[in-house]
Amino acid sequence: AQSVTQPDIHITVSEGASLELRCNYSYGATPYLFWYVQSPGQGLQLLLKYFSGDTLVQGIKGFEAEFKRSQSSFNLRKPSVHWSDAAEYFCAVGATGFQKLVFGTGTRLLVSP
Amino acid sequence: EAQVTQNPRYLITVTGKKLTVTCSQNMNHEYMSWYRQDPGLGLRQIYYSMNVEVTDKGDVPEGYKVSRKEKRNFPLILESPSPNQTSLYFCASSPRAHSGGYNEQFFGPGTRLTVL
Repeated sequence: AQSVTQPDIHITVSEGASLELRCNYSYGATPYLFWYVQSPGQGLQLLLKYFSGDTLVQGIKGFEAEFKRSQSSFNLRKPSVHWSDAAEYFCAVGATGFQKLVFGTGTRLLVSP
Repeated sequence: EAQVTQNPRYLITVTGKKLTVTCSQNMNHEYMSWYRQDPGLGLRQIYYSMNVEVTDKGDVPEGYKVSRKEKRNFPLILESPSPNQTSLYFCASSPRAHSGGYNEQFFGPGTRLTVL
């Protein structure tokens, strides 16, 4: 069965510092991978996705993620964090055949001044 | 505008009082799903539908019902809500995928349900 692990429940980063959020997945076939962001009281916004091709994926708001098959990872990065990036971030893998997303438990990002 | 809509957005109810959360999409998508989001657990699929009159259980179906009588609508029914169904609910839709493939899901804005 598919699963996604986000090992960090909370991360605090200073404004202007770089960010890396970790995501590991378990899936037997080629994974379809996603990162979503949820601001407080808001819905889900898709940051980026990986289906195939270039393993470095660019998304919105200056985010990028790198797919590493050998490590079963899809870590999210941003070179310089802004206070408005404070939110909860979810990594997810798409399960083919059922058209469902299997989500990680999320990482809450706090941005300090 | 292509979108998934949910109603109501917020609902407070009492144990045992039947309720329905509606979901509608205007993108002619075949696939629709319901998820619930709980702190520390992420989002989990409740039910999904691959087309009209075709529904199946997801990972946490207990206490929920769904129906898919029309392609655009996929209501979530709680016949006898209990406090452990207090949660944030998301509906999603996507086009049919070819065999072995996957299509991005489009999410509604969420419905925050409190059961007292």
